[in-house]
Amino acid sequence: EPEVTQTPSHQVTQMGQEVILRCVPISNHLYFYWYRQILGQKVEFLVSFYNNEISEKSEIFDDQFSVERPDGSNFTLKIRSTKLEDSAMYFCASSAVQGPYEQYFGPGTRLTVT
Amino acid sequence: GDSVTQMEGPVTLSEEAFLTINCTYTATGYPSLFWYVQYPGEGLQLLLKATKADDKGSNKGFEATYRKETTSFHLEKGSVQVSDSAVYFCALFMNRDDKIIFGKGTRLHILP
Repeated sequence: EPEVTQTPSHQVTQMGQEVILRCVPISNHLYFYWYRQILGQKVEFLVSFYNNEISEKSEIFDDQFSVERPDGSNFTLKIRSTKLEDSAMYFCASSAVQGPYEQYFGPGTRLTVT
Repeated sequence: GDSVTQMEGPVTLSEEAFLTINCTYTATGYPSLFWYVQYPGEGLQLLLKATKADDKGSNKGFEATYRKETTSFHLEKGSVQVSDSAVYFCALFMNRDDKIIFGKGTRLHILP
């Protein structure tokens, strides 16, 4: 069964450093998403991406964040200058159609900022 | 804004016990409601859904009924198994937005 994969599973970085979280969506999917979950908090929507551009983003997704689909298979989330409060589990999701029914989630990347 | 509140965990039960995980929502409009499950080391998986009031979603022995009058979508299972140990997320989706709004998740431990 096709699945969304994410790398790395755990990333530790120092405050102020740039990190790139990688996702490989399911191959025929067109819609891509990033969500995050701070420990003990809710899973929060960050951004949706379609046709090589952002279709929606939350207020969390400020100028420190960017997304890219660099090569037609990977979908990346970049945080330019990490802050302690960026420590969270980051989930990637993809779907063939818009809407929640077919959003397939990856296992997540745990980001720890020290 | 739209939000989901679910019961705090962890919830620990013995095998074959009855499970209820409470979930209530706040939304302007008529959302679709979902339960997602995350097994250890895996991604979020859609467990069941309901798209309108009084709909009952069901899957793998789990059920939840969309109750508009109480704005609730409680998850139930009559007889849990050790393999049901996971984190369960209640969520909603509004058609005007292309994003899922999740609750905090409830960790469930089933003891043999």
